[in-house]
Amino acid sequence: EIVLTQSPGTLSLSPGERATLSCRASQSVSSSFLAWYQQKPGQAPSLLVYGASIRATGIPDRFSGSGSGTDFTLTISRLEPEDFAVYYCQQYGGTPRTFGQGTKVEIK
Amino acid sequence: EVQLLESGGGLVQPGGSLRLSCAASGFTFSSYAVSWVRQAPGKGLEWVSDIGGTGHTTYYADSVRGRFTVSRDNSKNTLYLQMNSLRAEDTAVYYCAKHLPGPFDSWGQGALVTVSS
Repeated sequence: EIVLTQSPGTLSLSPGERATLSCRASQSVSSSFLAWYQQKPGQAPSLLVYGASIRATGIPDRFSGSGSGTDFTLTISRLEPEDFAVYYCQQYGGTPRTFGQGTKVEIK
Repeated sequence: EVQLLESGGGLVQPGGSLRLSCAASGFTFSSYAVSWVRQAPGKGLEWVSDIGGTGHTTYYADSVRGRFTVSRDNSKNTLYLQMNSLRAEDTAVYYCAKHLPGPFDSWGQGALVTVSS
């Protein structure tokens, strides 16, 4: 089983600032089958990025994903008020399709 | 527009059973694999199960294997999760999710399952 470890657990930032979220895998994620999801309180998660760096349909370009192998990053270039949420990484290269424990981006 | 609507959640005693349903619309249901993902109160996401488009291929998390069974009825555009021998640690919101394929590009609103005496 691939274990995904996200850091930091909580990121306290102000609107307009840059957010950098990390996801580290216990073993290499095949073919960069790594996705990022955003979850707001009381809502289902929504897909942001897949294939490590491909933005999902309708996702603004302030969201960008990068990385390969065991180290992946989600960057939000300038935080908008609606971006404060919890973010999860997920590997979908095999089963179990594990998720990271999440990073909460909160307003400072 | 893709829509996924879960139903069947509720309160059940430990050791009991429950069946969740997920009604799909807005896409060719039989062409896509779908999954169940759960989230315990205040916790993160946990993948539970996958089923392929034809229903012949299924996968389970170790935590539910042997107790949960995923199935689908493509004639009714509906996904199911039969949950037996429920435990307190199965308490969670259960989401159904459509594969892009690969990542989960559409999610339902979730169904709350509470296992308690």
